Amino acid sequence: QKEVEQDPGPLSVPEGAIVSLNCTYSNSAFQYFMWYRQYSRKGPELLMYTYSSGNKEDGRFTAQVDKSSKYISLFIRDSQPSDSATYLCAIPSFGSNYKLTFGKGTLLTVNP
Amino acid sequence: DVKVTQSSRYLVKRTGEKVFLECVQDMDHENMFWYRQDPGLGLRLIYFSYDVKMKEKGDIPEGYSVSREKKERFSLILESASTNQTSMYLCASSPGLGVYNEQFFGPGTRLTVL
Repeated sequence: QKEVEQDPGPLSVPEGAIVSLNCTYSNSAFQYFMWYRQYSRKGPELLMYTYSSGNKEDGRFTAQVDKSSKYISLFIRDSQPSDSATYLCAIPSFGSNYKLTFGKGTLLTVNP
Repeated sequence: DVKVTQSSRYLVKRTGEKVFLECVQDMDHENMFWYRQDPGLGLRLIYFSYDVKMKEKGDIPEGYSVSREKKERFSLILESASTNQTSMYLCASSPGLGVYNEQFFGPGTRLTVL
């Protein structure tokens, strides 16, 4: 089983919609969970990270972790065309102090 | 701001050529990484380095080598380029033993091997 798996998408929504992006992970020992955003022809950049369970909110973005089901989500409220990008979940690789394991990414398009 | 730069945005090479991809970071980070990104396969780690002259293989090191002679510079070398190495190559860096290992990425080099 892969360390992290992500819904592949692509996802296309109208402007203003609520978007839900999801990943599952395999190792219950993971504590930190990250979301990266990658615009077309750019490198990924960290959007949010969460520690352990619960929610973390930053403006229109909410990251949620459900450790009981090993499920992480990123919600985008009032989505904008500028949110169109690929979103990748990432977790620190098991047994490593510096490696990350990335999901394959979900391409999101928000249509005006 | 952390800045990671890569020597080329686009590169076209021929099969069998030796290819050098250069990456430079300006924040004194300990760790540097090379990934390739392909549709449907996501980001795959080729090599990483946790100190000058130190390197470890990632998930797909075959056909690649790396060099880190200075802390700020990490080079990816394709000894004999092949068409299946056509891809987007991304360099990243991160501080030492970080709590959550945030990595900072460069803009990528799109390599085409003909």
